[in-house]
Amino acid sequence: GAGVSQTPSNKVTEKGKYVELRCDPISGHTALYWYRQSLGQGPEFLIYFQGTGAADDSGLPNDRFFAVRPEGSVSTLKIQRTERGDSAVYLCASSLLTSWTGELFFGEGSRLTVL
Amino acid sequence: GQQVMQIPQYQHVQEGEDFTTYCNSSTTLSNIQWYKQRPGGHPVFLIQLVKSGEVKKQKRLTFQFGEAKKNSSLHITATQTTDVGTYFCAVNFGNEKLTFGTGTRLTIIP
Repeated sequence: GAGVSQTPSNKVTEKGKYVELRCDPISGHTALYWYRQSLGQGPEFLIYFQGTGAADDSGLPNDRFFAVRPEGSVSTLKIQRTERGDSAVYLCASSLLTSWTGELFFGEGSRLTVL
Repeated sequence: GQQVMQIPQYQHVQEGEDFTTYCNSSTTLSNIQWYKQRPGGHPVFLIQLVKSGEVKKQKRLTFQFGEAKKNSSLHITATQTTDVGTYFCAVNFGNEKLTFGTGTRLTIIP
């Protein structure tokens, strides 16, 4: 597809379960970002990949959160032992080079609800 | 951590009135981007400003970067119902992490 694709669009899980959220960026975009957005708030930075490596993971809230991008394209955000406070929309964005040089293209997001 | 504040948080305007949102930082910025997020949607890039005092226009939207590169504004002339949404500024504080502002939510009264 032409845009950033995120799956699933909605995920409902129980407290304590493990979830994976997938992001397929625009082809050729080397930079990939994960953000989390709670209702009425701005996107909150989680992690940034340049190619396969996590160049900045300072936004990950704790060690229950982990993200990978093994081949420099698709990325997976993994959340262990989910908590109710993890409920939010998880946004993925990609950029041709970096956020310094141009726009971020966002996907539609994955809405996570932890019961 | 470093933050960027936006004011106002909410703005309700009559259709046809003007609207302005302001983005303020305590530190000098290298550049600033603006995004629009429609209700239920995802952020969409509007523009990037780089130079001190820079002014850019997109139809009814005017973007300005302050002379000291610590603040920016987005002005919409003669608002329309299609302008509804939340407007975010986003900045880099010396690294690749793009930090979003708190946003200004615009609603239009027809």
